[in-house]
Amino acid sequence: EAGVTQFPSHSVIEKGQTVTLRCDPISGHDNLYWYRRVMGKEIKFLLHFVKESKQDESGMPNNRFLAERTGGTYSTLKVQPAELEDSGVYFCASSQEPGTGGTDTQYFGPGTRLTVL
Amino acid sequence: DQQVKQNSPSLSVQEGRISILNCDYTNSMFDYFLWYKKYPAEGPTFLISISSIKDKNEDGRFTVFLNKSAKHLSLHIVPSQPGDSAVYFCAASWGGSQGNLIFGKGTKLSVKP
Repeated sequence: EAGVTQFPSHSVIEKGQTVTLRCDPISGHDNLYWYRRVMGKEIKFLLHFVKESKQDESGMPNNRFLAERTGGTYSTLKVQPAELEDSGVYFCASSQEPGTGGTDTQYFGPGTRLTVL
Repeated sequence: DQQVKQNSPSLSVQEGRISILNCDYTNSMFDYFLWYKKYPAEGPTFLISISSIKDKNEDGRFTVFLNKSAKHLSLHIVPSQPGDSAVYFCAASWGGSQGNLIFGKGTKLSVKP
């Protein structure tokens, strides 16, 4: 079974540019989460999708960040325009819905390292 | 304000000995706790979890202990192996299921041969 995949693995952009990160969850996982780790700090929750619906987006830093999950499969996270403080590693995680026969453990992708210059 | 704290940024242990990683939390609403292990350039990998109704959970060489009155949990690795060298994150959630995870800053464990 393929794990959570993220693309790109690394992105270097200049301040003011736009970047779109992609996450492909494990097939069949309804829950999809985005997290971010700024260097030296803890991994912080950004938002949570259940299928195509945003369940919780309380961790999104500001309106420069836009997440979508059309069709309830893969998700994108767009940063526009990017600022210096957006640099960090963006992780995606997915899990099954509790009660669907599996655990609801969150499985993480390898992350996208975003560097804003 | 950090709700999950890992006060030791690093820990060095000899192979074969016990590794003890500690985690404190402040939010009494947390009812589910997890440990993740992370290697460089990889995402966190789930290791072990514990519900607040328990005080111990064991899985092979890994045991997690929960002390609710002290709002403290610890991960014991016995015996430690060089392949255990990684960053260990403590995380917590609430609501009876894994929702949004609140992570600590991590502890880098080095197991020396």
